[in-house]
Amino acid sequence: SQELEQSPQSLIVQEGKNLTINCTSSKTLYGLYWYKQKYGEGLIFLMMLQKGGEEKSHEKITAKLDEKKQQSSLHITASQPSHAGIYLCGADRRVGNQFYFGTGTSLTVIP
Amino acid sequence: ETGVTQTPRHLVMGMTNKKSLKCEQHLGHNAMYWYKQSAKKPLELMFVYSLEERVENNSVPSRFSPECPNSSHLFLHLHTLQPEDSALYLCASSQDNVGNQPQHFGDGTRLSIL
Repeated sequence: SQELEQSPQSLIVQEGKNLTINCTSSKTLYGLYWYKQKYGEGLIFLMMLQKGGEEKSHEKITAKLDEKKQQSSLHITASQPSHAGIYLCGADRRVGNQFYFGTGTSLTVIP
Repeated sequence: ETGVTQTPRHLVMGMTNKKSLKCEQHLGHNAMYWYKQSAKKPLELMFVYSLEERVENNSVPSRFSPECPNSSHLFLHLHTLQPEDSALYLCASSQDNVGNQPQHFGDGTRLSIL
């Protein structure tokens, strides 16, 4: 079974709209990471969340980790075409810095 | 520019060929990783190196052979690959292999097996 479930799998929004991507785990997360990947390229690190209830923002992107540390959301305000790509959540395994990843959410922003 | 460089960016090879993927990091990190990314599947961790020692081998077939000559360089040697090995191979590095640290990724090598 998938350890990290992302929803939705794909998203198409009009430029200027807000959107939210979710990442859910059945287990407590020890570290939750958000990455963005442009098609056919590597992953760009966005944010890391560690504490229950933690929230971080970078430009128009805000990520939150719930109090139980089992769900995270990524919110983009006033989306732009430059936000398009695949968003992946990743989490630490308890031992070592070995990540496991969700299947990703593909975001398309229509100008 | 993430500080992790992978070459080549694209590689097409036959099943009987031998080739190598190269990864170099300029971040002063001590841990390096190989991942495989196939369509519709989560990223799969293949190998983990910490201070040039292999610390994880996630049941990867022996036709994939990693090498880490120093903490800045990581190779993936390929031989007699199968069509299902076609994928994007990503290299990453982190400060250490102890958790709670982001990994920094290269742009990957797109591998196609004929």
